[in-house]
Amino acid sequence: KQEVTQIPAALSVPEGENLVLNCSFTDSAIYNLQWFRQDPGKGLTSLLLIQSSQREQTSGRLNASLDKSSGRSTLYIAASQPGDSATYLCAVEETSGSRLTFGEGTQLTVNP
Amino acid sequence: EAGVAQSPRYKIIEKRQSVAFWCNPISGHATLYWYQQILGQGPKLLIQFQNNGVVDDSQLPKDRFSAERLKGVDSTLKIQPAKLEDSAVYLCASSPPALDYEQYFGPGTRLTVT
Repeated sequence: KQEVTQIPAALSVPEGENLVLNCSFTDSAIYNLQWFRQDPGKGLTSLLLIQSSQREQTSGRLNASLDKSSGRSTLYIAASQPGDSATYLCAVEETSGSRLTFGEGTQLTVNP
Repeated sequence: EAGVAQSPRYKIIEKRQSVAFWCNPISGHATLYWYQQILGQGPKLLIQFQNNGVVDDSQLPKDRFSAERLKGVDSTLKIQPAKLEDSAVYLCASSPPALDYEQYFGPGTRLTVT
């Protein structure tokens, strides 16, 4: 059974810092991995999707890497801003069209 | 492009009552998902539809939860009777019929069972 773990559970940083969120998964046979952002009371917004054959994806100040063999992914946020404050969720999809298995998320607070 | 629509946004009921949630996916999206997100946890899949058919309902508590997707478009999720532990956000997501797709999520329905 696939299990996804995210570390840390919560993170508070001053504005401008670069930071790394970690995600690990127990079964390396995945189809893809996604990082989502969730604001309080809102649904999930997809940030980056990495296919199993890819090593990383970038979007603006966000960079996500995937090391399938070790069962790990990291989300790097450069020059953090207060508007980045949210919960960040990592999810894996084991086969095309199957369910997403989510981690419990990292709650990020960026202080002005 | 309109996003995934869900209603109601909030619902408070007493235990043993019934409740229903509605989801309208993005136009043309063949796959529809219902997830349950308990406070402090990641979402967990309850049921997945491909057009009208159920693909995965292995984590759906079938003694109290039911879902349907009429005509392969809108979907309803029902809980009857509700328990305290059903308090959660119920998220609907949809994805297009393509190989390298991603799931698009609605705003969710926050259910409180008292």
